[in-house]
Amino acid sequence: DIVLTQSPALAVSLEQRATISCKTSQNVDNYGISYMHWYQQKPGQQPKLLIYEGSNLASGIPARFSGSGSGTDFTLTIDPVEADDIATYYCQQSKDYPYTFGAGTKLELK
Amino acid sequence: EVQLVESGGGLVQPGRSLKLSCAASGFTFSNYGMAWVRQAPTKGLEWVATISYDGSSTYYRDSVKGRFTISRDNAKSTLYLQMDSLRSEDTATYYCARPQLGRFAYWGQGTLVTVSS
Repeated sequence: DIVLTQSPALAVSLEQRATISCKTSQNVDNYGISYMHWYQQKPGQQPKLLIYEGSNLASGIPARFSGSGSGTDFTLTIDPVEADDIATYYCQQSKDYPYTFGAGTKLELK
Repeated sequence: EVQLVESGGGLVQPGRSLKLSCAASGFTFSNYGMAWVRQAPTKGLEWVATISYDGSSTYYRDSVKGRFTISRDNAKSTLYLQMDSLRSEDTATYYCARPQLGRFAYWGQGTLVTVSS
């Protein structure tokens, strides 16, 4: 199985930049596409897709969210952070079954 | 508007069975693969199973293989998850989701399954 590793938590100030990383145990690229996706989840809610295929913004997601990376190293950036962005963020790979998620990074206010 | 509404969760004893349903609307259900993703209390997300648009192909995580069965009724626009031989570690909120090239753009609100004696 492909293992995705995220830092458990990140403290950030409002209006600053937040950078959340996700490292995979195997390359999740194939034919130039990174099969890496990012989700936001708030308590009591279902996850929401933010970024797909490494860097594509999902429908309705504000442009302050962006994704980058390739191979085994990926980053979700929120710039600037707003109060509504306080949540847990998950990365997910769909290169191979079983699809796997990172353990999540909880974004907290400093 | 895409809507996915799960039902069928509840409290069940270890070793017993439970069947979850997911009613889909707002899109042509028979054109899309579907999936179940679960989340144990205070834990992260875990993919469970995926079924192709026509039901001809299914995929499972190892820990549920042989115990869970994903199926669909395209005439009713409904997805199912039959869960047999339930274990305490299956306790989770189960989400129905619509995958597209492996990403989950649409999720239901989830249904809680608690396995306990």
